Amino acid sequence: QVQLQESGPGLVKPSQTLSLTCTVSGGSISSGGYYWSWIRQHPGKGLEWIGYIYYSGSTYYNPSLKSRVTISVDTSKNQFSLKLSSVTAADTAVYYCARANYSSGSDYWGQGTLVTVSS
Amino acid sequence: DIQMTQSPSSLSASVGDRVTITCRASQSISSYLNWYQQKPGKAPKLLIYAASSLQSGVPSRFSGSGSGTDFTLTISSLQPEDFATYYCQQSYSTRLTFGPGTKVDIK
Repeated sequence: QVQLQESGPGLVKPSQTLSLTCTVSGGSISSGGYYWSWIRQHPGKGLEWIGYIYYSGSTYYNPSLKSRVTISVDTSKNQFSLKLSSVTAADTAVYYCARANYSSGSDYWGQGTLVTVSS
Repeated sequence: DIQMTQSPSSLSASVGDRVTITCRASQSISSYLNWYQQKPGKAPKLLIYAASSLQSGVPSRFSGSGSGTDFTLTISSLQPEDFATYYCQQSYSTRLTFGPGTKVDIK
């Protein structure tokens, strides 16, 4: 059973960089066939795709966030990470990591982690 | 980017009702359409992928249909555990987009 778990600070100051890591267990990121995604959800709002990475390092980002987002992968640790720079209160959200496939959707998700941007 | 719309934005229904939710894409996405269910405080759960394929473990009362730009999620007989918010998502483009969601609550 594949499991994903987000980790990182729950509070980030404005203008700083939000950094989260997703640890994958029960399956290898390097096995291929899947894209490893970050999605966020503002309080009381819908789902917003942030971006994803393939194990080879290829990345795709939401154009609205592209200038501030970096997603990276560490296959040795079976982890992938999100960095979002120059955060504001508008980046306060629950951040989810998920395993995605073009033809079969996002079948495994982390539980989500709330990140609050506040001084 | 491909824009996704859903209707209705919310609906009230009773246990046992047949419920239909519609999702429309701003351009053809073939069958690259997925449906998710989300309950408060929980991560979304994949219900349907590729427009009509039932994810493993999902009850058969859930079904999906459509192709191109118009898609439908149907719950044949609403159960108490089905009260939740439902999202469609297109995976045709490398830039994934979600619909705004449809909240199903108790009448």
